[in-house]
Amino acid sequence: DAGVIQSPRHEVTEMGQEVTLRCKPISGHDYLFWYRQTMMRGLELLIYFNNNVPIDDSGMPEDRFSAKMPNASFSTLKIQPSEPRDSAVYFCASSPSGGGISYEQYFGPGTRLTVT
Amino acid sequence: AQSVSQHNHHVILSEAASLELGCNYSYGGTVNLFWYVQYPGQHLQLLLKYFSGDPLVKGIKGFEAEFIKSKFSFNLRKPSVQWSDTAEYFCAVNARSGGFKTIFGAGTRLFVKA
Repeated sequence: DAGVIQSPRHEVTEMGQEVTLRCKPISGHDYLFWYRQTMMRGLELLIYFNNNVPIDDSGMPEDRFSAKMPNASFSTLKIQPSEPRDSAVYFCASSPSGGGISYEQYFGPGTRLTVT
Repeated sequence: AQSVSQHNHHVILSEAASLELGCNYSYGGTVNLFWYVQYPGQHLQLLLKYFSGDPLVKGIKGFEAEFIKSKFSFNLRKPSVQWSDTAEYFCAVNARSGGFKTIFGAGTRLFVKA
């Protein structure tokens, strides 16, 4: 298996522009998570999905952020409009489940976003 | 609300020194516990996990962690570190009654001097 795939790996954009980050989870995993990592705030959970349905989006910073999962093999995280404070590394992770137990998460390589 | 506290933000050791990274969590129910490692420029990888059973769990690369329920702790240990252990280490907790939401600690940056 190729693991969790994220694209792009690096994104540099100007303030006010729309940014779309993409994620392909590991096949068969029914949970998908989006995290943001910064020096100041560490690793923050933004939102997670189960079977393509958003379960908890309480970590999404504000309305400028939105996430979708149209099918089991694809998710997007969109920022519109982007601001310099959104600069961070955004990780996608997926996890299998079984018997109601949460298993470990498998992380993608991350997207390093720089908003100038 | 759940929280995870890692006591040291930065640790510097010489090769062959012993390592212990502290992790405490706040949650009264049943939990799953994890340690993840992030090598420079790479993504997070699972180091070890505890779900149930023997509270002393062994992971990859000679790491181990001990779950002490009475202390709400899950400290990571390694008897002899190597230069290649230089990385950031994250403790994480998932409450079984809280769905699949996992809370990560702030991380501990370990630098091992050759």
